[in-house]
Amino acid sequence: RKEVEQDPGPFNVPEGATVAFNCTYSNSASQSFFWYRQDCRKEPKLLMSVYSSGNEDGRFTAQLNRASQYISLLIRDSKLSDSATYLCVALGDGRLAFGKGNQVVVIP
Amino acid sequence: DAGVIQSPRHEVTEMGQEVTLRCKPISGHDYLFWYRQTMMRGLELLIYFNNNVPIDDSGMPEDRFSAKMPNASFSTLKIQPSEPRDSAVYFCASSSGGGELVNQPQHFGDGTRLSIL
Repeated sequence: RKEVEQDPGPFNVPEGATVAFNCTYSNSASQSFFWYRQDCRKEPKLLMSVYSSGNEDGRFTAQLNRASQYISLLIRDSKLSDSATYLCVALGDGRLAFGKGNQVVVIP
Repeated sequence: DAGVIQSPRHEVTEMGQEVTLRCKPISGHDYLFWYRQTMMRGLELLIYFNNNVPIDDSGMPEDRFSAKMPNASFSTLKIQPSEPRDSAVYFCASSSGGGELVNQPQHFGDGTRLSIL
């Protein structure tokens, strides 16, 4: 079993709609979590950190559920420019793992 | 500010040849990571360094792969001999952890697209 698992999708989202997806992690010692965004043929770039109490950054909301060992990302009012692959990262106890990503396609 | 710099951007070579990928981390960052990304396996951590010392190389696929960090501003990933299955995008990333790996985001270079024929 991979340390971090994501449903690859694609998640086809009408422009203006809301989309949410999860990422599960297996290492209970994981302490820090991040969402990265990766555009086609580009490098991953940090989107946001994920805090225990949940956090928002504009249209993006990240949540952490330690009991069920997953993190989530919600995108409100989707824009065409949100089309990308979203990678989650679990980090802790000296171990680091990326998920394979959730691909989001925003449709006009 | 200069980000993580990788070279070359693209490399095409024949199987059996030695391949050397290079990385210059962001100045002041004390962690450096090498990743490999393919469609099938996603982004895989190969090895990471802290203060130039290799900390975890459990992701290095086999003895044909080696990585060095002779100083704080330079690292290499070498494949010798290369095989077609090594074809992938190789990313280098750095972060500033202050000795702690947790809670620090990584900054990625543009990657090296490697094709082994």
